[in-house]
Amino acid sequence: IAGITQAPTSQILAAGRRMTLRCTQDMRHNAMYWYRQDLGLGLRLIHYSNTAGTTGKGEVPDGYSVSRANTDDFPLTLASAVPSQTSVYFCASSVIASGGNEQFFGPGTRLTVL
Amino acid sequence: GQNIDQPTEMTATEGAIVQINCTYQTSGFNGLFWYQQHAGEAPTFLSYNVLDGLEEKGRFSSFLSRSKGYSYLLLKELQMKDSASYLCAVRDRDYKLSFGAGTTVTVRA
Repeated sequence: IAGITQAPTSQILAAGRRMTLRCTQDMRHNAMYWYRQDLGLGLRLIHYSNTAGTTGKGEVPDGYSVSRANTDDFPLTLASAVPSQTSVYFCASSVIASGGNEQFFGPGTRLTVL
Repeated sequence: GQNIDQPTEMTATEGAIVQINCTYQTSGFNGLFWYQQHAGEAPTFLSYNVLDGLEEKGRFSSFLSRSKGYSYLLLKELQMKDSASYLCAVRDRDYKLSFGAGTTVTVRA
């Protein structure tokens, strides 16, 4: 059982290039999330999806897009990368239901934009 | 939106107790979570509170007061492996989490 996986593990990217970060979960969770984590700022939500076919904007969505074609996959695309998008990106998933249904996090992607 | 505050750093001795406070202002409270994150790793779930009171899980306990917008995470019998960042997160009615910046706990021998 893999849980939730992300690819690549790390990437160095030239500014202006397009990049897609991949996220796959095998837990059949209905909700998935993308966060970025920057020193001193904590985890900030970029985009989320409560079910396949729907997406929503989080706190810092500008410069990013997502799609949710099926339950398992939730790719994050940077259309034209800028240096301020240098960060560690975490994908997470959870069950949407009342109660303590925690989010499970992938191992992260460390992205550097030069 | 959510405004979540927690101390930046705390240091404690092995075997001691440390209490990490978290205060929040929220529109639509739907639960509070604590996560642990070791350096270079993903956050992992520690505890969940939605009603007032104390939840105990082994060496870790978490407390919530909704009227005061306040929670704390209590770490007892500290071990070196407890050196990590501890993240307070508030869930809204859309099931989205807002995180505090995290508290880095250093355990010294």
